[in-house]
Formats: sequence, structure tokens, C-alpha cells
Amino acid sequence: DVKVTQSSRYLVKRTGEKVFLECVQDMDHENMFWYRQDPGLGLRLIYFSYDVKMKEKGDIPEGYSVSREKKERFSLILESASTNQTSMYLCASSLFDRPYGYTFGSGTRLTVV
Amino acid sequence: QKEVEQNSGPLSVPEGAIASLNCTYSDRGSQSFFWYRQYSGKSPELIMSIYSNGDKEDGRFTAQLNKASQYVSLLIRDSQPSDSATYLCAVNGRGSSASKIIFGSGTRLSIRP
Repeated sequence: DVKVTQSSRYLVKRTGEKVFLECVQDMDHENMFWYRQDPGLGLRLIYFSYDVKMKEKGDIPEGYSVSREKKERFSLILESASTNQTSMYLCASSLFDRPYGYTFGSGTRLTVV
Repeated sequence: QKEVEQNSGPLSVPEGAIASLNCTYSDRGSQSFFWYRQYSGKSPELIMSIYSNGDKEDGRFTAQLNKASQYVSLLIRDSQPSDSATYLCAVNGRGSSASKIIFGSGTRLSIRP
């Protein structure tokens, strides 16, 4: 069974901390994505990556960075966590040349206090 | 104008009836169309994909696509309480972002016994 695994289901961090959210997929997918989902705002794309060491900004990249050193792993970094980054974070992956649809991880609910 | 528009609902349908969910999109160049189901507190799950005009059936689900009208719909026959969820319409992006998917904000469906 193919999987996208996010390292934490729930996370509580303090304001100003550096936060790492990890995502690993076992489907050999080229594309990986980080979204956040907030009530009334839907899914908003933060960053995505088409290949190792490649990244592109999504719609709301401010306050975030990403790292993709290996094909199967895509990390989201909150450089200095703030309370407005409290959200559900969803990682997804897909094949490169045609979007057959994303496979999502189970999500990380991050609370910044 | 949003790129993918859906009525947020809630849409209330009696058990056993047909639930009809609708979506419009703005980019005429879109090639791939998806419906995701999301239960409360869970991540989105792909339930249907459609790539050409017409109907595509899978069990109780039928996706309909009309590219001329830029309209996608999802019909759920014999609705069950377990179908109560938020349904996200999604469309692929254009050009270099062809592998990127744009999501609507979702329609909340409630099946009443």
C-alpha cells in the first residue's frame, strides 16, 4: 500500500522556535507539496518541489522554507514559529508528467503557543 | 474570480437520495479534474478523477465533466451517512505548473437518516 508519512500527528511549539515538519513518500514520486488548511480558507499551497534540490514557492511561502535532499523526503521548516502559523499542515506527492491526483499524508496539527 | 469555485454548503440530503455536488473552474486549458473527500480532522482522499468530457462512473459515484461550460460535478447515488464529509473539487494548473493542482474550498455534505 502506497504511503505518504508525516512524522508527527500533533505538535505544540513555542513562539520563536524553529520547527521541522517531515514528510516521506514510498511511491518514487517526483512531485511533493506542502499545504496548510485553515477553516474557511481551504487548502493553501506553501511550497512544492519537482525534483531533488528543486523547490518553488506556492501561494503563501512567507515564514516558511523547505528542503529536499532526497527524492522521498520533503521537509517544511518554520524559521521562527508564530501563533498565526497554528494550522493543519498537509504533505502530498504525485507523479511528474501528469497529475493523476495527489496522495496526501495524514496531516500534522501544529499549535504555536 | 477564484480559480476553482464550489458552493460551501452545507448541502443536506436524505439517506438513499442522490447528492449532487458542483464545481466551476476558470482555466480553459485545464486537463485533469479530481474529487477528494475529506472527513473532519482527516486528510483529503482522492475518490474520482476525470480527464475527458462526459460521465465516469465508479460504484455509487459519477463524475461529470463539461469543458465547454468549465463545469465539473459529482453525483453520489444511494447516499449513506458515511458519505457525510467535505468534498473538494480540484483542477490541474497550467504550463510549467501542470503538475500542480488547484483546490476549491470544498462543499460540506450532510446525509440525514
